[in-house]
Amino acid sequence: GPKVLQIPSHQIIDMGQMVTLNCDPVSNHLYFYWYKQILGQQMEFLVNFYNGKVMEKSKLFKDQFSVERPDGSYFTLKIQPTALEDSAVYFCASSLAGAGAETLYFGSGTRLTVL
Amino acid sequence: GDSVTQTEGLVTLTEGLPVMLNCTYQSTYSPFLFWYVQHLNEAPKLLLKSFTDNKRPEHQGFHATLHKSSSSFHLQKSSAQLSDSALYYCALSDPTGGNNKLTFGQGTVLSVIP
Repeated sequence: GPKVLQIPSHQIIDMGQMVTLNCDPVSNHLYFYWYKQILGQQMEFLVNFYNGKVMEKSKLFKDQFSVERPDGSYFTLKIQPTALEDSAVYFCASSLAGAGAETLYFGSGTRLTVL
Repeated sequence: GDSVTQTEGLVTLTEGLPVMLNCTYQSTYSPFLFWYVQHLNEAPKLLLKSFTDNKRPEHQGFHATLHKSSSSFHLQKSSAQLSDSALYYCALSDPTGGNNKLTFGQGTVLSVIP
């Protein structure tokens, strides 16, 4: 089936540094998402993105977070600067349409550890 | 706000026994309900979804019936297989919003043993 690739699978970074998480979504998909999962907790919505713009973001999407997809390449999540509480697994997802019943295709996640 | 509750963190079953994973939800609207499954070191992927009350979608031997009266969407299978061992997430989304935002439960690990 369609695959979403996330690079890298693990990243360790010092607090205060910048990190960029990369996502290669399904090729014909138009909607893109980031979810955050802290160890032992559920996946939580961070942000969705369509047509070059953020459509909706949650309260977890702090000012230090930004997303973009320049020229149809990777969909990225940038955190600058990082904080200890940013340690989590970040899942990227994409979908063909934005309707409520649309299937989201997820990547395997990037485990971010902030020291 | 919306919430999804999966009461079991871990379910351990012997192969061949029936599976039932619980999911209840709270929402101010009539949501879409989903089950996603995540095998070890793989991405979560859709198992099945529903919007219609009392309809029973099926996939790979799993089924779930949406009961709006009890706000439940329990996942069932008649006979567990070793390959069913995975993490199962129940989730909901708002059918009226255009942003396809999923609210997840905490997940249930299903461990099937020989």
